Amino acid sequence: SQTIHQWPATLVQPVGSPLSLECTVEGTSNPNLYWYRQAAGRGLQLLFYSVGIGQISSEVPQNLSASRPQDRQFILSSKKLLLSDSGFYLCAWRRAGRFSPLHFGNGTRLTVT
Amino acid sequence: DAKTTQPPSMDCAEGRAANLPCNHSTISGNEYVYWYRQIHSQGPQYIIHGLKNNETNEMASLIITEDRKSSTLILPHATLRDTAVYYCIALMNRDDKIIFGKGTRLHILP
Repeated sequence: SQTIHQWPATLVQPVGSPLSLECTVEGTSNPNLYWYRQAAGRGLQLLFYSVGIGQISSEVPQNLSASRPQDRQFILSSKKLLLSDSGFYLCAWRRAGRFSPLHFGNGTRLTVT
Repeated sequence: DAKTTQPPSMDCAEGRAANLPCNHSTISGNEYVYWYRQIHSQGPQYIIHGLKNNETNEMASLIITEDRKSSTLILPHATLRDTAVYYCIALMNRDDKIIFGKGTRLHILP
């Protein structure tokens, strides 16, 4: 069966510090991978998605970036965090090209202080 | 992706059926209707999907109108644990970019 791992669960970082959130998927190959962010009391915002290694589509041109160094690994990064980067970050995967729901990880709650 | 519209919030008494509407009047023939829900502080969870026939699983039923311009998610016997935000999305299988709307916040009243 397929599983998605996302860590850490919670993170408190000072403004200006770097960020690295990691997501890995097991039990499937060549998944579509997604990063979403949810600010407090708000909806899900799509940040990045990837249809293959090294292929990243950005929906939010801010100080965040994403990378997919391996087929089932998706990393969200920032060189310098802003207060507005606080939120609930969710990684998700989906089989490409055919019926498949999105499967979400448990999320990382990031607080930038 | 076809745009979907949902009421921002709904109330339902515990034990009654919760009927959550979704309008997708611009849906194309290849787009499926997917429903997810998000319980507070968790990732969204897939509930059900359909193309044109009504569907039922252990969680819910999905009723799609004959013209496919709207659908209703039915939770047959709502419990307090069904309190969540419910999202309706229209997607083709080949769609890679998946955008969520604001969904419907369902409150189950004891």
